Order: sequence, then C-alpha cells, then structure tokens
Amino acid sequence: GQQLNQSPQSMFIQEGEDVSMNCTSSSIFNTWLWYKQEPGEGPVLLIALYKAGELTSNGRLTAQFGITRKDSFLNISASIPSDVGIYFCAGQLSAGNNRKLIWGLGTSLGVNP
Amino acid sequence: DAGVIQSPRHEVTEMGQEVTLRCKPISGHNSLFWYRQTMMRGLELLIYFNNNVPIDDSGMPEDRFSAKMPNASFSTLKIQPSEPRDSAVYFCASSLRTDGTEAFFGQGTRLTVV
Repeated sequence: GQQLNQSPQSMFIQEGEDVSMNCTSSSIFNTWLWYKQEPGEGPVLLIALYKAGELTSNGRLTAQFGITRKDSFLNISASIPSDVGIYFCAGQLSAGNNRKLIWGLGTSLGVNP
Repeated sequence: DAGVIQSPRHEVTEMGQEVTLRCKPISGHNSLFWYRQTMMRGLELLIYFNNNVPIDDSGMPEDRFSAKMPNASFSTLKIQPSEPRDSAVYFCASSLRTDGTEAFFGQGTRLTVV
C-alpha cells in the first residue's frame, strides 16, 4: 500500500537550534498536513498545504509542499523546550476515489534546555 | 468549544470482554473519524462518517469492530470480543471537511486488553 517515509525517526537538539524534518513518498499527493502530538494528547494540526511549491509559516514553523508533489518539509527555527513532541506528516493522494489520509510514523523531537 | 471529547480516557479489560469507546465531536463538524495508534503501525484510520453516515469502513480490522453514529453529536466504537492485540490508543477526530484534512482530535482512549 501507499507509504509515507518520515525522517528522521528521532532527533535531540539544543534549545535555540533550528530543526528540519521531511516526508517523502513514491506517490503524488494533493494535500500535505503537519501535526504535533504531545504525550497523552491527540495530534494537533500545525500547517496544511494544498498547492505544489506552497510555503506556509505558522510562527517559528515553516512547511513546504514539494514541487514534485511527492514530498514535504517542516522546519522549526530557534527551538524551545515546548517544541518537544512527535511531529507527524499526513498526505492525501491525488489519484483515485480514496480520500483517506496517509500518515507518516512520526519524528520524535527532544530539546535540551 | 470544548473540542472533541472522548471517554473513557483509559480502559483496562480482560480478553473476551466487550469494549465501547465514546466520542462527542465538535458541534457543527459534519465529518467524524476513528483512528487507532500503535507504535508499530502509527495512526490508522478505522472508519469515517459524513453527516452521520458511514462512508468508508475499510480500515476496520475485522468483524469484531463496529462503529455507530446515531446523531451528529455522538459516536461509538465497539470491540466485541476484545483481544490483547487490540491494545492501542483510539482517537476520534472531527472536521468541517469531508476529506479528513484539518481534523481536530480528541485526547484519545488508551485501551489495554489483558
């Protein structure tokens, strides 16, 4: 079945550093979403992307919809301890009638104060 | 708005018992989604409803799982009989969009079947 490859699987950084993570697939998507999940909570939507090449920011977060429509990137600038959590990408395929989202397995982020 | 409300937050049950998970979506959202999250498989969509009607249940693992949405403000996910491999966190999410994007998630129900 379709898969989203999310990397890195985990990362541990110093407060103040910038962070980059990405999702790739062999399939073409028409929507990319980035969610953050904290312990004991459900995922929370950070950024939604609907057009190839689109670059969208939400505070210190910036996400891009890859030109090939097969990938997406999330950057966090000047990380702070509250950025800790698991970041998920999710995509909606462009082909077929199945509108279900496909989810990556997440990037676990740790921030050392 | 209180967001998506799920109950119970935690459930421990013995194998073979019936389990019912409950969800109250955000008022006005006409799409509701049930997800299961495990370490190995991540987030998996089990079933989703649009205007209280089940649209796609292809993610429901087997006949032991069933879901209902009797009205716009309530949905249940039932497992009967439960098995240890059903242990996971089950999330309910709702959205104004029928395509499942921009969904708001509840806090989840952590199910442990022993």
